[in-house]
Amino acid sequence: QVQLVQSGAEVKKPGASVKVSCKASGYTFTSYGISWVRQAPGQGLEWMGWISAYNGNTNYAQKLQGRVTMTTDTSTSTAYMELRSLRSDDTAVYYCARVVVAGFWFDPWGQGTLVTVSS
Amino acid sequence: QSALTQPASVSGSPGQSITISCTGTSSDVGSYNLVSWYQQHPGKAPKLMIYEVSKRPSGVSNRFSGSKSGNTASLTISGLQAEDEADYYCCSYAAPWVFGGGTKLTVL
Repeated sequence: QVQLVQSGAEVKKPGASVKVSCKASGYTFTSYGISWVRQAPGQGLEWMGWISAYNGNTNYAQKLQGRVTMTTDTSTSTAYMELRSLRSDDTAVYYCARVVVAGFWFDPWGQGTLVTVSS
Repeated sequence: QSALTQPASVSGSPGQSITISCTGTSSDVGSYNLVSWYQQHPGKAPKLMIYEVSKRPSGVSNRFSGSKSGNTASLTISGLQAEDEADYYCCSYAAPWVFGGGTKLTVL
């Protein structure tokens, strides 16, 4: 079955970077895109960006431009999201989700990765 | 881009129907038939319930339906069940994407 499995929880200090992975299985990785969505504690969902697994094209949320980089490794069907210059308000659960190439919805989602930013 | 507007909470009794609204603008909900809805139980990842305004993925109960009028999309759940108690989020493609603030559904 289609599945996205994310890397484990991380604890980082302010100013550090974090890189979260999302390993896909059960489908042709390069036929879809991957979006990243985060959810701060007790808050709603925030779209962070999208990457095409076909050609690596990206589109990032304006507020994260310059701090976020999304990449893929087609040899391992894995997507990555790196966030730099971490601040306390980056503390959140980070989700990856598959995006249909000609579609605009997210399905399925990874299990989520908690990133805690604390001194 | 501003988040789409959803009511913070709605409630209903088992067997009843409820509707959750999602209000955007002519730049997002009003411009594209690309509204999707997600259900999220506590501590779990979101799950796709509706896409392209009114389409249901395989495996999602037909008690869930979606619609849109102008800049407002709606999710209706009929025959409420205890398991429907969760947070619900709307999302619209808006070059790129924007989510609603979420609605907590309580089944009384």
